[in-house]
Amino acid sequence: DIQMTQSPSSLSASVGDRVTITCRASQFISTYLNWYQQKPGKAPNLLIYAASSLQSGVPSRFSGSGSGTDFTLTISSLQPEDFVTYYCQQTYSTPQTFGQGTKLEIK
Amino acid sequence: QVQLVQSGAEVKTPGASVKVSCQASGYTFTGYFLHWVRQAPGQGLEWMGWMNPYNGGTDYARKFQGRVTMTRDTSINTAYMDLSSLRSDDTAVYYCATFSGYLKAFDIWGQGTMVTVSS
Repeated sequence: DIQMTQSPSSLSASVGDRVTITCRASQFISTYLNWYQQKPGKAPNLLIYAASSLQSGVPSRFSGSGSGTDFTLTISSLQPEDFVTYYCQQTYSTPQTFGQGTKLEIK
Repeated sequence: QVQLVQSGAEVKTPGASVKVSCQASGYTFTGYFLHWVRQAPGQGLEWMGWMNPYNGGTDYARKFQGRVTMTRDTSINTAYMDLSSLRSDDTAVYYCATFSGYLKAFDIWGQGTMVTVSS
């Protein structure tokens, strides 16, 4: 199985900050990497697919990059509603594993 | 609109089975693989397996093989996830989600079904 390692597991930041979350795959996954946002009590919501493509309806302050084994999710200017949890996921092979999550907290 | 609507919360005793349903609307049910993901309280997301609504084909995570069965009823656009021999660590929210072959991602999610296993 491919292991996905996210860092950090939690991150304190302020409204307006630029933040970056990283995700590393234990083996090559090309650009089969997705990012999801999960608000408390809700299902995950797709933000970024294929490593760098913005899902329809997602604000442009979210961006993704990377290929191979190393990936990043960047939020250019944090808004109050962004202080939730983010997950990466690989869909290169089954099982389609998720990272452990990164919780964004208000500083 | 495109949506997946799941069945309501369940409380089960250890050793019992649970069957969660996921009804699709707004798209061609047989056109997209349907995956199941679970999330234990305060924990991350765990992929359980997928079902092809077109032909009923399935693939399960090794951890759940022998305990999980994913089926569908195409007449009512509904998928089912049956988990047997429940243990306390099966307490979780169970989600269904469609897999977009174009995006290679889970683009539509159900609202989740809380399953509590307790004696």
